[in-house]
Amino acid sequence: QVQLVESGGGVVQPGRSLRLSCAASGFTFSRYPMYWVRQAPGKGLEWVAHISYDGSNKYYADSVKGRFTISRDNSKNTLYLQMNTLTAEDTAVYYCARGTGNLNFDYWGQGTLVTVSS
Amino acid sequence: EIVLTQSPATLSLSPGERATLSCRASQSVSSYLAWYQQKPGQAPRLLIYDASNRATGIPARFSGSVSGTDFTLTISSLEPEDFAVYYCQQCTSWPLTFGGGTKVEIK
Repeated sequence: QVQLVESGGGVVQPGRSLRLSCAASGFTFSRYPMYWVRQAPGKGLEWVAHISYDGSNKYYADSVKGRFTISRDNSKNTLYLQMNTLTAEDTAVYYCARGTGNLNFDYWGQGTLVTVSS
Repeated sequence: EIVLTQSPATLSLSPGERATLSCRASQSVSSYLAWYQQKPGQAPRLLIYDASNRATGIPARFSGSVSGTDFTLTISSLEPEDFAVYYCQQCTSWPLTFGGGTKVEIK
């Protein structure tokens, strides 16, 4: 069965960096686009970043452009999100999600909480 | 950026009742809209894609429809496990955007 397991969340000071990982299993990872979606405490969903199946295309939300970098290692079945210059507004649960061919998300991980606080 | 407006924000209904949730797009997204269900402490789950297609394993009581830029998610007869928050998402252009959500609560 499809499994997505995020890790790397935690408490970090403003201005610092953090890298999230998402370990995928149960499907051919290299054939699917992947996404990061976040949810601030008590708020709705916000798409963060997209990466194509081979890593050649990437898109970012304006709120993270220039600070976050999405990447993948298809040999390790792992998705990453490098987050730099973090602010309090980045505090959220970060979900990785598998993409379909139609820019929606058919499987989600359980999420990892990132708290930006001094 | 395409803005999705969901209404109502909260829907108070009893089990067995019909739920009708609305999502209006600020511009055309054709039929490229998805619906998700999220329960407290859980990740979202894909219910409907391309406006009216049920995702794998989704019960037939969930249905989606579209008229222009107005999308509707209907739950024909609410089961206890259906009380949750529902989000729509447009799947046509970057940035991908979600609606603000509709909470379906027990009356």
